[in-house]
Amino acid sequence: SQKIEQNSEALNIQEGKTATLTCNYTNYSPAYLQWYRQDPGRGPVFLLLIRENEKEKRKERLKVTFDTTLKQSLFHITASQPADSATYLCAPGGTMGGTASKLTFGTGTRLQVTL
Amino acid sequence: SAVISQKPSRDICQRGTSLTIQCQVDSQVTMMFWYRQQPGQSLTLIATANQGSEATYESGFVIDKFPISRPNLTFSTLTVSNMSPEDSSIYLCSVVSANNEQFFGPGTRLTVL
Repeated sequence: SQKIEQNSEALNIQEGKTATLTCNYTNYSPAYLQWYRQDPGRGPVFLLLIRENEKEKRKERLKVTFDTTLKQSLFHITASQPADSATYLCAPGGTMGGTASKLTFGTGTRLQVTL
Repeated sequence: SAVISQKPSRDICQRGTSLTIQCQVDSQVTMMFWYRQQPGQSLTLIATANQGSEATYESGFVIDKFPISRPNLTFSTLTVSNMSPEDSSIYLCSVVSANNEQFFGPGTRLTVL
């Protein structure tokens, strides 16, 4: 069955550093992968979508890579700020033969940025 | 991106009762989904809400427990029927844009006593 793995342990980094979060998937060939931010008690907020033919995508301080050979996506936040503290979810989607928009969510990685 | 609202934002219900959650979108969308997020867990897809036809349920979810309506392209409801404490979760609706980006509503936090 499809499996999405994100580091379940919290990532603690100092303000100003680059945070790197990892998403690995198995038994899956997604056409794209989405990253979300989620704060406690709230719905996920869409951040970025990267397609299988894109190696890298950037948006302001965010950068996402997608390696279909390694079956891995990396999510980077540069110049991190305490306001970036949240849980970050990865969600591959768009599998062949399935509903084009169905996403499978990882369990998320909690990021804590300290002063 | 679409603006999505959900009602109620939270509720506390008694065991055995039912709750209907509404999801309203500010534009017409084709794809709409309902998810559940149990405490400390990630999101699990309940069903795809199909306009004009019965919803498509994922494994482990059935229509009798989670009836869904989709009367038009901007609105859907999810009912959680005959609730038990195990149904305590955040329930979320989502919509998909033309380029496959998926946006979520703010969620409905349900507590069943």
